[in-house]
Formats: sequence, C-alpha cells, structure tokens
Amino acid sequence: GDSVTQMEGPVTLSEEAFLTINCTYTATGYPSLFWYVQYPGEGLQLLLKATKADDKGSNKGFEATYRKETTSFHLEKGSVQVSDSAVYFCALSERGGGADGLTFGKGTHLIIQP
Amino acid sequence: EPEVTQTPSHQVTQMGQEVILRCVPISNHLYFYWYRQILGQKVEFLVSFYNNEISEKSEIFDDQFSVERPDGSNFTLKIRSTKLEDSAMYFCASSPGTSGYEQYFGPGTRLTVT
Repeated sequence: GDSVTQMEGPVTLSEEAFLTINCTYTATGYPSLFWYVQYPGEGLQLLLKATKADDKGSNKGFEATYRKETTSFHLEKGSVQVSDSAVYFCALSERGGGADGLTFGKGTHLIIQP
Repeated sequence: EPEVTQTPSHQVTQMGQEVILRCVPISNHLYFYWYRQILGQKVEFLVSFYNNEISEKSEIFDDQFSVERPDGSNFTLKIRSTKLEDSAMYFCASSPGTSGYEQYFGPGTRLTVT
C-alpha cells in the first residue's frame, strides 16, 4: 500500500538557518502530495501542495517540489524563524479525489532556537 | 477565516461505553473525514463521507464505528463500545470538493478510555 517516510525529529536549528525536511513516498499511480503543519495545541494546517510531477508548492517562505524520479517531496525554507517551531507532516492522496483519505508520515518536530 | 471545529476537546470514558465525537465542518464543504492519531504514531485515515454516505473507509473503521451527518452542520463519529486501544486524538476534516481536494482539519478531540 501507499506509505510516506519522513525524517525523524526533533530537528533543532538556529534562527535564520536553512531548513530541509526530507519526505519520500511509495504509491501506485500519480498521487497528490501535501505538507501540513501543526502548531502546539492546534490542528493540522495545510502548508502547501503539489498535484503533479515537477510542480512546486510554496507558502509562507516554504517550498517543496514534486520529484517523481526520486519519489520525494522535500520541504525547504531559506531562513527559519522561531515562529516556525512546530510539527511538520508530509502526506499523500493516492488518487487526488475527494473521497480519498490522506496517508501521512510520522511527522517531524522542528525546534528553532533564537 | 472559516475553520473546522470539534467538541469536546477532551473526552474521558470507561471501557465499553459509547462515545460520540462531534465536528462542524466548514460551511459549503462537500467531503468530510475522520482520522485518528494514537500517541506517538502516524495520523491514520478512518473514513470519508459524501452526499450522506460513506465514500471510503480504512481497515480500522470496523463495525464499532459509525458516522452520521444528523443535520446540515454537524458531522459525528460514534464509537459503540470503546476499548483501551481507542485512546487517541481524533481529527475531523472537510474538503470543498473542488480541484485539488485539499483537506482542512479541526483541532482534534483527545479520547481517553480508562
């Protein structure tokens, strides 16, 4: 079945550092890919998405490119802030349709130190 | 900005009791979902719901679970006879049903079965 693997945390960085959180997936066909973020005490918020190969999703300075050849969707940000501290989840939707449940990775806890 | 709401935020129940978790999806959304996250594990898809019927369900969603949209605004998850292993965070989500089918999540209900 489908699966998502992301780097284990916690990941600790200093403010203004470059961020990469790795995500790879296994799926049949052409899934849609997502990054969600969960701030302390809150629900999952959609951060960005990509629906086909070579698409780049971006939002709030975060970017991720759908790489079919390496089955990856790594999350990057050029300069992180303390407010980016949260848990980040990579997820896929196998068929991209409304009925489709999302398959999630385990989440990566990001800690940004001032 | 519209958001998905869930009540209660924390529910404690005894093994064997029935519980109902409640969600108010975003108005005008067409697809509704339940997920759960057992402590330390992945967020797992339970069920999707569209046009007043279940669209898809996972292996986890067995006969002890049921979902209902009793009126035009609420979406509920019922667990008939709770087990210790049902203790988890339960997330409700909704999707507009437009291209991309991105899902918007509520803050979750923490269910503790004693």
